[in-house]
Amino acid sequence: DAGVIQSPRHEVTEMGQEVTLRCKPISGHNSLFWYRQTMMRGLELLIYFNNNVPIDDSGMPEDRFSAKMPNASFSTLKIQPSEPRDSAVYFCASMLGNEQYFGPGTRLTVT
Amino acid sequence: QQPVQSPQAVILREGEDAVINCSSSKALYSVHWYRQKHGEAPIFLMILLKGGEQKGHDKISASFNEKKQQSSLYLTASQLSYSGTYFCGTANDYKLSFGAGTTVTVRA
Repeated sequence: DAGVIQSPRHEVTEMGQEVTLRCKPISGHNSLFWYRQTMMRGLELLIYFNNNVPIDDSGMPEDRFSAKMPNASFSTLKIQPSEPRDSAVYFCASMLGNEQYFGPGTRLTVT
Repeated sequence: QQPVQSPQAVILREGEDAVINCSSSKALYSVHWYRQKHGEAPIFLMILLKGGEQKGHDKISASFNEKKQQSSLYLTASQLSYSGTYFCGTANDYKLSFGAGTTVTVRA
C-alpha cells in the first residue's frame, strides 16, 4: 500500500491567491483528518470526515478555509484567499480503527 | 483540551533510558503515541486503551494510569534511530488532541 498521498509536497504562493491541497487516503480507511502544524501552535485538527461526510469542522480557522471529500479516495483543502499566517505544514491522515496514518504533508508558504 | 508533555526536550547518549510524560486535566479514555522525525510525517507508535494498560514495541514501551490521567513513554537502551519528536494524543471519541511534543536527541 502506498500510504496516504498528498500533493503538492511544497507550495509557495502570494498573499491573496487560492491554494488547493489534495489528499488520497489509504484504501478502505473510512475516516480522514486534515491537520495543520506550526511551531507556535503544534498539531491542530482542522476537519474530520467519516464516510466522506464532514463530522467536525470546528478547527477550521476561518471562512477562507474549506474542505471537501467528494468520494472515499479523494479530499481537498482549499484556502481562498491565502494569507502569510496560513504558512504551515498541512497533513492529511486516514484512520481505520484507532490508528491514524499521516501523509507526508504539504509545506505551504504564503508570501 | 491539549495534554501537557514533559520534558520539552531530552538529550541522551546511546544506550541510556528516558521517560516522557503526558498528562491531561480531563478524564482519559485512550492515549496515542506518535514519533515525528524532522521534515517527516508523524508515525504511529502505539495506543493504550485501558487504564493500567502497558504496551511495548521493541524497546519503547508505554503505560497508562487512568486514575492519574496520565501516560508515560519509556525509551530503554536508546538507539540513534529513536531521535525525533514524540507526541502524545488524547482521544475524545475520534478527536485527537496532541501535546506540544518532546524532542529526543540520541547521540553516539
